[in-house]
Amino acid sequence: GAVVSQHPSWVICKSGTSVKIECRSLDFQATTMFWYRQFPKQSLMLMATSNEGSKATYEQGVEKDKFLINHASLTLSTLTVTSAHPEDSSFYICSALTLYQPQHFGDGTRLSIL
Amino acid sequence: GQQLNQSPQSMFIQEGEDVSMNCTSSSIFNTWLWYKQEPGEGPVLLIALYKAGELTSNGRLTAQFGITRKDSFLNISASIPSDVGIYFCAGLFTGGGNKLTFGTGTQLKVEL
Repeated sequence: GAVVSQHPSWVICKSGTSVKIECRSLDFQATTMFWYRQFPKQSLMLMATSNEGSKATYEQGVEKDKFLINHASLTLSTLTVTSAHPEDSSFYICSALTLYQPQHFGDGTRLSIL
Repeated sequence: GQQLNQSPQSMFIQEGEDVSMNCTSSSIFNTWLWYKQEPGEGPVLLIALYKAGELTSNGRLTAQFGITRKDSFLNISASIPSDVGIYFCAGLFTGGGNKLTFGTGTQLKVEL
């Protein structure tokens, strides 16, 4: 149980394009989903907290117009990196939370902007 | 954002050896979690601790929730090659909006 699916697992695109990453909880309804960013050899840094049907809460320093989060249902949250540039290249990971269980993580999306 | 201090930063050990790593914080946490991350994948939950002083095992892994609630320890007994990866501690505190604070990570390498 508690499986979180993230898609795509790897994306390469040109500078200036927008990229959408999906995060799905497959066998449970997630009360909250979280989006993290991880640079090589570093820890996970929380970008935003997403609750179904409400606006995401962004951590300090994270541009909400740059990283658009939509949480349309209890099993799906999306992160869109708008007008991506090489400095946005990173490993993006989502996690999902349900009652009485710790956060379970997706397998991550490696984003490379050329 | 805040991070927990995790040590050692990396370890290179022989197969069969026991491994210990710890995580410390200046703040109190109500829950401590230990995750393992392999290259190109997301973290996988190993052990969850919910009570100060709690000692919990998961196979060859044992973790403890420090009595001060400001630290936690993870031990791996009789390490094997598949234990290779990065181990992260994470803390959660009441009123924190369910947001995890992650440790800096311990990279474990096992020599055959």
